[in-house]
Amino acid sequence: EDQVTQSPEALRLQEGESSSLNCSYTVSGLRGLFWYRQDPGKGPEFLFTLYSAGEEKEKERLKATLTKKESFLHITAPKPEDSATYLCAVQALNTGFQKLVFGTGTRLLVSP
Amino acid sequence: NAGVTQTPKFQVLKTGQSMTLQCAQDMNHNSMYWYRQDPGMGLRLIYYSASEGTTDKGEVPNGYNVSRLNKREFSLRLESAAPSQTSVYFCASRKLGGPIQETQYFGPGTRLLVL
Repeated sequence: EDQVTQSPEALRLQEGESSSLNCSYTVSGLRGLFWYRQDPGKGPEFLFTLYSAGEEKEKERLKATLTKKESFLHITAPKPEDSATYLCAVQALNTGFQKLVFGTGTRLLVSP
Repeated sequence: NAGVTQTPKFQVLKTGQSMTLQCAQDMNHNSMYWYRQDPGMGLRLIYYSASEGTTDKGEVPNGYNVSRLNKREFSLRLESAAPSQTSVYFCASRKLGGPIQETQYFGPGTRLLVL
């Protein structure tokens, strides 16, 4: 069964204190791994898609990386506006394009 | 370009009542999805429509029905609401085709409370 585990569940950082969020996955062949940001009371907002081990993508203070077993979302010098829940999801080769399996997310709080 | 819109934003139902959650997208996407999000559970797929005229069950379809009204609209119906269906419901859409998978884009959600 495809599975996604995110850690930590919650993370509190001071503004400017860099850190990483982890997404471990178990799938029978990875088609794609997705990162989303979700603000309270809002829908998930797309950040990145990664397709193969070794791939990296960046957007402002965020950088996503992928290995064969996990993905990291690195946050460099975070600001309070980066506070949100970050969701990871995988799409397996054997389930086609339609089904994403989501982790439960990491709640990030950045204090000024 | 509003993206994915959902109505209503919030609804309170009594056990046994029925209701329909509406979703529309203006991005000309082919596929549409309904998810529910519960604390500690992550987003779970209820139903999806790969293209206009087709619908399929997801991970947690029991107690729900869907209709793909046209390319833009995909509705979710609760025929007889139960307290276990208290949740936040998200609609998403995705464009088909191309050498690279297109991601799913989410609406703002409908918060449903069943008493």
